[in-house]
Amino acid sequence: AQSVTQPDIHITVSEGASLELRCNYSYGATPYLFWYVQSPGQGLQLLLKYFSGDTLVQGIKGFEAEFKRSQSSFNLRKPSVHWSDAAEYFCAVGQAGTALIFGKGTTLSVSS
Amino acid sequence: DAMVIQNPRYQVTQFGKPVTLSCSQTLNHNVMYWYQQKSSQAPKLLFHYYDKDFNNEADTPDNFQSRRPNTSFCFLDIRSPGLGDAAMYLCATSRVGATIYNEQFFGPGTRLTVL
Repeated sequence: AQSVTQPDIHITVSEGASLELRCNYSYGATPYLFWYVQSPGQGLQLLLKYFSGDTLVQGIKGFEAEFKRSQSSFNLRKPSVHWSDAAEYFCAVGQAGTALIFGKGTTLSVSS
Repeated sequence: DAMVIQNPRYQVTQFGKPVTLSCSQTLNHNVMYWYQQKSSQAPKLLFHYYDKDFNNEADTPDNFQSRRPNTSFCFLDIRSPGLGDAAMYLCATSRVGATIYNEQFFGPGTRLTVL
């Protein structure tokens, strides 16, 4: 069955520290991969996406993610977290003509 | 700027009273989606339109209907809202074809409260 797993429900990081949010997927073929961020009461904003090519992708707000086919992972990273990064982060997978499958999300809190 | 717009942002309805949520887009995307997101959960796809073709998810309750009168607009109708239908409803669009696939662009959502 197709699924996305985000193992960490809640993560707290100190402002200025590095961040890594984990995402693992189970899919029949190599899917398209996405990370979305959602602030409270808001819609989802795309951070970055992977379709093909370079497995390290850069996104907005200083985020990057690395696709590792052998590990079926697409982890999100940021070298230095800002207080404004506190939000809910969703990993999602899909293919052309199919709906996105979302993980359950990871809540990021940033401490000062 | 091209965007996805949802109205209203907040909707309060009474138990059993029909309600309609609206989504419009200026992206000229051929696919429009409706998701339901309950508190602290991932968005759950209800249905989507691929051009004029309606695609219902198997577990979407019959209480939920949708209309897409033209490319730009899509409506979500909840015929008899129950307390369990209180949620954030997200509209999204994407451009999909035989050789193209773009990410989904989301609107800000409509928060539905059922009293």
